[in-house]
Amino acid sequence: QSALTQPASVSGSPGQSITISCTGTSSDVGGYNYVSWYQQHPGKAPKLMIYEVSNRPSGVPDRFSGSKSGNTASLTISGLQAEDEADYYCSSYTSSSTSVFGTGTKVTVL
Amino acid sequence: QVQLQESGPGLVKPSQTLSLTCTVSGGSISSGSYYWSWIRQPAGKGLEWIGRIYTSGSTNYNPSLKSRVTISVDTSKNQFSLKLSSVTAADTAVYYCASAAFADAFDIWGQGTMVTVSS
Repeated sequence: QSALTQPASVSGSPGQSITISCTGTSSDVGGYNYVSWYQQHPGKAPKLMIYEVSNRPSGVPDRFSGSKSGNTASLTISGLQAEDEADYYCSSYTSSSTSVFGTGTKVTVL
Repeated sequence: QVQLQESGPGLVKPSQTLSLTCTVSGGSISSGSYYWSWIRQPAGKGLEWIGRIYTSGSTNYNPSLKSRVTISVDTSKNQFSLKLSSVTAADTAVYYCASAAFADAFDIWGQGTMVTVSS
């Protein structure tokens, strides 16, 4: 299975909004609403930020939001803060009953 | 609150079998609401899903690793395990265990354990 495609890097100034895309196929992102997003700081385990395309687990700031259109899912961070600087990964369930991660995006707060 | 902890050798020789265990605390591994996965991350690279096991014992594996991977569960010890055979340097990575209660979302992660494949 091929990794989902994400931009290698995205940057923004504090207070701005940024969007990270996650492109798959009709066999994964486009076929299921089981798309999740994870935040990973250096040396730490990933943290679930979004599940089922647009739902936030308890404790995740509402600055984080998710959406999907066709085979592409997106994570938007509004009101960017310094602590949002991290790597972000999407994941999706697939038609083969497996899971697949995205290539990862490094978010830099300028 | 369920917590996960990986354990196992940090160094494995090429061609041998990598064996890791994930201990579940704060809850029962037999809970029907969870399934249990292994995920790895080579240094400086992205996450790679390895496979999952359901409480029923059924498994799904990454097709690229399927011929070398076995995931099993020991309910008496509240643990699940990963075996990866015929390892090479390409299998050097931080290995995470994780659980998903719904929607294929990995909501609980272990801290990760570094495994190096080297002679």
